Amino acid sequence: QSALTQPASVSGSPGQSITISCTGTSSDVGGYNYVSWYQQHPGEGPRLMIYEVSNRPSGVSNRFSGSKSGNTASLTISGLQAEDEADYYCSSHTSSSTLLFGGGTKLTVL
Amino acid sequence: EVQLVQSGAEVKKPGESLKISCKGSGYSFTSYWIGWVRQLPGKGLEWMGIIYSGDSDTRYSPSFQGQVTISVDKSINTAHLQWSSLKASDTAMYYCARRAGYTYDYWGQGTLVTVSS
Repeated sequence: QSALTQPASVSGSPGQSITISCTGTSSDVGGYNYVSWYQQHPGEGPRLMIYEVSNRPSGVSNRFSGSKSGNTASLTISGLQAEDEADYYCSSHTSSSTLLFGGGTKLTVL
Repeated sequence: EVQLVQSGAEVKKPGESLKISCKGSGYSFTSYWIGWVRQLPGKGLEWMGIIYSGDSDTRYSPSFQGQVTISVDKSINTAHLQWSSLKASDTAMYYCARRAGYTYDYWGQGTLVTVSS
C-alpha cells in the first residue's frame, strides 16, 4: 500500500488560513470516514488534532477543522499562529483493516 | 488521565534481539487496541501493526509481517514490540498508540532504537 499523498510543505503568514490536502483511494480515504490528522513538533510525538474527518478532540483549538470530498481529505488551519509550525500527517483506515499514513506536510509560519 | 508510557531508549548491535514496552494506565486497558508506529530518522509515520489487549488478536502491516512480533501482557497492562534479529535499518523512533474506534487518540512518548555495530 502506498502512503496517502500530502504536499511536502505549505506556508502562511500569521493570521492567514492554510489547507493541507490528503489524497487516497476509494479503499481508504474515500471509503471510510475514519480520517485523522496529527500534529508533530520536532522532538515530540504525534498529537491527534482531527478524527473521523472533522471532529476535534477536547483541547484542540477550533482554528483546526477537517473535511473530505471523495478520495481527498483536507485540514484547514485558520488564524495561523507561530505555534502551529510543525509537521502534519493524515491517516486513514483501509479496506485491508490496516492504517495508512500520509507522507507528512511541513507547515512553515512565515 | 489516560497515559501510555514507553520503555527507554535502546542501543543494540545488529543481530541482537530486543523487546520494547508500552504501559497503559488511566483506562480499561483490555478494552482497547494498541498500535505500533515507526518513524525513521527524518521521515514520516509508518503503521506497523495492532493488538487487541483483551484477547491478543493481532494484525500486521504487510511491510512488517514476519519482521517484528507484537504481544500483550494484560496482567501488567503492557504491550510489547519485539525483534529477534535487529538490523541497522531498524534504527528509528517507535511509538505506541491507543486505538479508540478507528482513532489513535493517545500516544506514548516514543522509544528510540539505535542499531549500530
